[in-house]
Amino acid sequence: DIQMTQSPSSLSASVGDRVTITCRASQSISRYLNWYQQTPGKAPKLLIYAASSLQSGVPSRFSGSGSGTDFTLTISSLQPEDFATYYCQQSHSTSYTFGQGTKLEIK
Amino acid sequence: QVQLQESGPGLVKPSETLSLTCTVSGGSMGSYYWSWIRQPPGKGLEWIGHISYSGSTNYNPSLKSRVSISVDTSKRQFSLKLSSVTAADTAVFYCARNPGSGVNDYFDSWGQGTLITVSS
Repeated sequence: DIQMTQSPSSLSASVGDRVTITCRASQSISRYLNWYQQTPGKAPKLLIYAASSLQSGVPSRFSGSGSGTDFTLTISSLQPEDFATYYCQQSHSTSYTFGQGTKLEIK
Repeated sequence: QVQLQESGPGLVKPSETLSLTCTVSGGSMGSYYWSWIRQPPGKGLEWIGHISYSGSTNYNPSLKSRVSISVDTSKRQFSLKLSSVTAADTAVFYCARNPGSGVNDYFDSWGQGTLITVSS
């Protein structure tokens, strides 16, 4: 299996801050990398696919970058509704795997 | 707009088989794979497996010996069976849709999730 490792595991930030979350794959996955947002009690929501493509309806303050083994999710100016847990997921191998999650909390 | 809804028993006894069904409404079932994903309480996401409209399956190697996914296109449903369950299988189970191949392969529609508890 391809292992996905996110950092940090948790992060405290304030409204208006710029935040970056990192995801590293255990082997090269090209651009087969997706990002999801999950709020408590809800299903995950797709934010970014193919490393940098913004899913329809997702605010432009969310952006993704990277290729190979190293990827980032950036939120340019945090809004109150952005405090959630974020997961990366690889689709290079059909045995899909997720990162362990990054919990973004209000400072 | 496709919608997915899980249904299942809520409580399963250890060593028994967990059975869940996902009903798909709106949109076409063709050209997609239909996945099961689980999340133990307070933990991360684990992909269980998926099935295509035509019945082709792929499973997570760590669960492959205990998992079976089937599809009933006439009912617009797909189902999960997980055998020999233990307390470690307690989780929220989600059904989801994904294209199944290519760089644009992602879970873009999800059910609301159903909590399955394994306990005697």
